[in-house]
Parts: sequence; structure tokens; C-alpha cells
Amino acid sequence: GDSVTQMEGPVTLSEEAFLTINCTYTATGYPSLFWYVQYPGEGLQLLLKATKADDKGSNKGFEATYRKETTSFHLEKGSVQVSDSAVYFCALSGDILTGGGNKLTFGTGTQLKVEL
Amino acid sequence: DARVTQTPRHKVTEMGQEVTMRCQPILGHNTVFWYRQTMMQGLELLAYFRNRAPLDDSGMPKDRFSAEMPDATLATLKIQPSEPRDSAVYFCASGLGTATQETQYFGPGTRLLVL
Repeated sequence: GDSVTQMEGPVTLSEEAFLTINCTYTATGYPSLFWYVQYPGEGLQLLLKATKADDKGSNKGFEATYRKETTSFHLEKGSVQVSDSAVYFCALSGDILTGGGNKLTFGTGTQLKVEL
Repeated sequence: DARVTQTPRHKVTEMGQEVTMRCQPILGHNTVFWYRQTMMQGLELLAYFRNRAPLDDSGMPKDRFSAEMPDATLATLKIQPSEPRDSAVYFCASGLGTATQETQYFGPGTRLLVL
């Protein structure tokens, strides 16, 4: 079945450092890929998404590129802020042609801590 | 700013009691998802509905959990009887289901503690 693997956390960075959170996936066909962010005590919020190979999703300075050849969707940000401290979830929505278009499969989440 | 709302936000109950959690999806959304989040298992999909009809509840323990959509503006998740292992945060999410993959919008969650 579909699965998502994320790097273990927590990731601790200084403000203005470069961020990479790795995400790889296993799925049949052509899934859509997502990054969600969860701030303390809140629900998940969509951060960005990409629906086909080589698409780049971007939002609030975060970017991720859908790489089908490496089955990856790594999250990057050039300069993190303290306010970016949260848990980040990589997820996929299966290929609708294989019947998986409705469900999201989540990774385990990566906690990011940004310090001054 | 349209949002998914969930009530209650927090619930503490004793083992054996019935628990009902409610969700109001974003107006116009026709798909509703229920998730459970725990430290050990992460995020698990329990059930989801489209146009109020259950499409998949394979992630839900059938003997004690039930999910319904009495109308398009209300989804409920019920646990009867509750057990300590049900302690978790329960999230509802809604989406506008079409023929393509959809974005899901999450509510703030119900934090459940069963003693």
C-alpha cells in the first residue's frame, strides 16, 4: 500500500538557517503530494502541494518539488524564523485511477524548533 | 474565513462512558474525514463520508465507534463504551470532493482523555 517516510525529529535550527526536511513516498501511479503544518494545540494546515511530477509547490517561503524519479518531496526554506516552529507532515493522496484519490496517507511528522 | 469547527475542544471522561464529538464542515464541502492522532500511531484515518454517505470506515473499531452525518452541516463520531486506549486527539477535516485529489481542511481537534 501507499506509505510516506519522513526524517526523524526534532530538528533544531538557529533563526535564518536553511531548512530541509526529507520526505520519500511509495505509491502506485501518480499521487498528489502535500506538506501540512501543525502548530501547538491546533489542527493541521495545508502548507503546499504538488499534483504532478516536476511541479513545485510553494508558500510562505517554503518550497517542495515533486521528484518522481527519486519518489521524493523534500521541504525546504532558505531562512527559518522562530515562528516556523511546528510539526511538519508530508502526505500523499493516491492516484484516482487506482482508487486512492480520496484518502491522505501521512508521514509520522517532523518537529522543527527554531531558536534565536 | 471559512473553517472547520469541532466541539468539544477538550473532553475528560471515565472508562465506560459514551463520548460524542461533533464537526461542522466548511459550508459547501461534501467530503468529511475523521482522524485520530496519538504519539504512538501518528495520524490515522478512521472514516470518511462523501455527500453524507460513508465511503470507508475500515480504520474504525466497529464494536465501539460509530460515525454519522445527520445532515450536510454536521458530522458526529461516537465512542460507546469509551476505553483509556481511546485517549487521543480526534480531528475532523472537510474537502470539496471532485474527480481529482482534493485538499483537506482540518478542524482544531477534540482532545479526549479517558480515565
